[in-house]
Amino acid sequence: EPEVTQTPSHQVTQMGQEVILRCVPISNHLYFYWYRQILGQKVEFLVSFYNNEISEKSEIFDDQFSVERPDGSNFTLKIRSTKLEDSAMYFCASGQGYEQYFGPGTRLTVT
Amino acid sequence: KQEVTQIPAALSVPEGENLVLNCSFTDSAIYNLQWFRQDPGKGLTSLLLIQSSQREQTSGRLNASLDKSSGRSTLYIAASQPGDSATYLCAVYPSGTYKYIFGTGTRLKVLA
Repeated sequence: EPEVTQTPSHQVTQMGQEVILRCVPISNHLYFYWYRQILGQKVEFLVSFYNNEISEKSEIFDDQFSVERPDGSNFTLKIRSTKLEDSAMYFCASGQGYEQYFGPGTRLTVT
Repeated sequence: KQEVTQIPAALSVPEGENLVLNCSFTDSAIYNLQWFRQDPGKGLTSLLLIQSSQREQTSGRLNASLDKSSGRSTLYIAASQPGDSATYLCAVYPSGTYKYIFGTGTRLKVLA
């Protein structure tokens, strides 16, 4: 069964550094998403992406964040200058229509 | 603004009990509702997805119901086992949006 995959599974970075989280969505899906979950808190929506454009974004998704589909298979989330409060589990999802399939997550630790 | 609430926040039961986990949401205009399982420090495992036109879905010992008009869903776990210990998350997909909104989860512990 096709799955969403994410790399790396765990990333440690220093405050102020740029980080790119990578996702490979399910191959025939056209909608792509990022969510995050700070430890002990609820899963929060960050951004949705369709047809090479952002469809919707939350107030969390400020100018420090960007998304890109650099080729036909990858979907990336870039954080330009990481802060301590960016430490979280980041989930990628992809879908067709109104269903979303989630990846296993990347744990980002900012020191 | 859609809000999702899950009750109880935590639950500890002896093995073999039948359980009901509750999820409520404030706006009935949704495309679907999905229940997930999350083990500590791990990702989201989809358990059941209920479309807005459906009343329930079943998978093995799990049964999820949806009452859209009252803004409620329940996840029923039959004959609970220690391996069911995890956090269970409810998420709704509001109409006119491109996102899921998650509840805070119910942390379940099944004692052997």
